[in-house]
Amino acid sequence: ETGVTQSPTHLIKTRGQQVTLRCSSQSGHNTVSWYQQALGQGPQFIFQYYREEENGRGNFPPRFSGLQFPNYSSELNVNALELDDSALYLCASSSGQRNEKLFFGSGTQLSVL
Amino acid sequence: AQRVTQPEKLLSVFKGAPVELKCNYSYSGSPELFWYVQYSRQRLQLLLRHISRESIKGFTADLNKGETSFHLKKPFAQEEDSAMYYCALSDQGAQKLVFGQGTRLTINP
Repeated sequence: ETGVTQSPTHLIKTRGQQVTLRCSSQSGHNTVSWYQQALGQGPQFIFQYYREEENGRGNFPPRFSGLQFPNYSSELNVNALELDDSALYLCASSSGQRNEKLFFGSGTQLSVL
Repeated sequence: AQRVTQPEKLLSVFKGAPVELKCNYSYSGSPELFWYVQYSRQRLQLLLRHISRESIKGFTADLNKGETSFHLKKPFAQEEDSAMYYCALSDQGAQKLVFGQGTRLTINP
């Protein structure tokens, strides 16, 4: 059984650029959630994907979008990057839609210059 | 709006002393409460959830709906308990977890 993997681990972008972050869910999990964690803060929910459909969204603008693929892996896309988008982006997988137990990846550290 | 407050950003206790990490929440419905922990160089992981009523690594947490609190307690701290602890809540059936800011617990030898 493999855990949640995220790529890349670190990324540096400039303001206005676009970025794609990737996540492979834990074996047997069909739900992926994305969280943004700013420095010194707790994770903040971006959205969740369940069986390839968006299944709940937090207070993030439309330039944050995502995908889930048939193998349940997922992408987070952010367009028109802003300086405040600099954060650790965490992916978590689970089996089912409810947050009974989330398994987190190690995260992607995004720096926007 | 749902909110989780962890009033202490840093908490330092000596080995063998009791530990209590505070968590207060605001939510009008019936939330599910969780404690997540992140040890040094490890991933964020679930420590315990209130509906399980279990003790994990000697930690317990009781949901107090009157005080809207879900404090995490351990009677005798161990050095390996040093970590970042996050309290979180979820509406029953909802998709998202709302996390507090976290408390960094340091156990001194």
